[in-house]
Order: sequence, then structure tokens, then C-alpha cells
Amino acid sequence: DAGVIQSPRHEVTEMGQEVTLRCKPISGHNSLFWYRQTMMRGLELLIYFNNNVPIDDSGMPEDRFSAKMPNASFSTLKIQPSEPRDSAVYFCASSLRTGGLETQYFGPGTRLLVL
Amino acid sequence: DQQVKQNSPSLSVQEGRISILNCDYTNSMFDYFLWYKKYPAEGPTFLISISSIKDKNEDGRFTVFLNKSAKHLSLHIVPSQPGDSAVYFCAARTLSGTYKYIFGTGTRLKVLA
Repeated sequence: DAGVIQSPRHEVTEMGQEVTLRCKPISGHNSLFWYRQTMMRGLELLIYFNNNVPIDDSGMPEDRFSAKMPNASFSTLKIQPSEPRDSAVYFCASSLRTGGLETQYFGPGTRLLVL
Repeated sequence: DQQVKQNSPSLSVQEGRISILNCDYTNSMFDYFLWYKKYPAEGPTFLISISSIKDKNEDGRFTVFLNKSAKHLSLHIVPSQPGDSAVYFCAARTLSGTYKYIFGTGTRLKVLA
């Protein structure tokens, strides 16, 4: 089992550019989560999908952020246009939701720096 | 509105002693709590959990205590080891509704050899 795969691991871009972060969840998992980690706010949930459908996007900061999950094995988080305050570590996590208690498995994260 | 709070950003403990990490929450609808551990340049990994029907859950050196009346949980590590040095996040979730985890800001534990 390869675990949750995220790419790129590091991204440096200039303000105003489009940034796309990618995630491959663990095979067989049916829920996928995008988080952002900052010093001030810790781990914030941005959006999560269940069976490829967005369930809760209330954590998405603003319209510059969008996320898609076209199939069970791939998701993207896009920032357009990017701003320096978007600099953070972005994590993707997946889990198998069966109606009871379950555990989220996190990817290694993408460290984003917007200059 | 920080529903899950870890008020100590950092903690240093001598090897072999007990580490106690604390977490407070405000939402009485939370009834499932987890602790995650995070090493630098890695994603958080699940450590231990507890549901509201319990007040204690133990797994080896790690024990989580839940005080629902105080809306407080704590993670005890005994004995602490240098390899335990990491950032620890507590998280809370409701078992119904929108099903999402709310994480705290983390506590950086440093175990001194």
C-alpha cells in the first residue's frame, strides 16, 4: 500500500500565478479531505469529498480556491490567482467511511510558497 | 472560532518522564476524539482515539483521558522517549451531521535525552 500520494512536494510560485496541487488517495477509500496547515490556525479542513462528491466546502477561504475529484483515485486543489497569504503546507487525507468510526490517513503534504 | 484548542504550543520533557499534552473543546456535540502525531516533512499519523462512552483509552505507552464535563482531553506518554519528539494534534468529530474533523493548532513536544 503506497499510502496517500501528493504532488508536488514543494511549490514556489509568484503572486498571481495559478497553482494546482494533486492527490491520489489510498485505493478503496471513499472519503478524501484537503487540509491547510499554518502556524496560527493549525490544521484547517478546506473541503472533503465522499464517493467523489463534495460534501462540505465551508472551509474553502474564497473563490480563488477550487477542488475537484473527477474519479475515486484523483483529486486536485487549485488556487487561482495565488497570493502570498496562501503560503502554507497543504495536506490531502483519505479514509474509508463505513458509517462507524474511521481513521484518516494523511499524505506527506505540499509546501507552497507564494512570493 | 477555534472549537478545539491546544493552549500549549510547546512542551519539553526529560526522557523517561511523563509527557502530558492537553486539549480543550467547546462543542458538546463532539463525541469522537483523536490524537495525531506529526514529524517534520511528513503528514500527521493517527496515534490513538477515544469515544465519548469512555473516559480512558490506553495503547502501550500512550493513554488518552476524556473529561466530558470539563470538555477536556489529555494525552499521556509514559515513559517519554526521544523518538516521541514531534508535533501532536488533537482532533474532534461528530458522529453525525457533516462528518468533519476539527483539529487543534498542535503542541510541539521535545523529549530531552
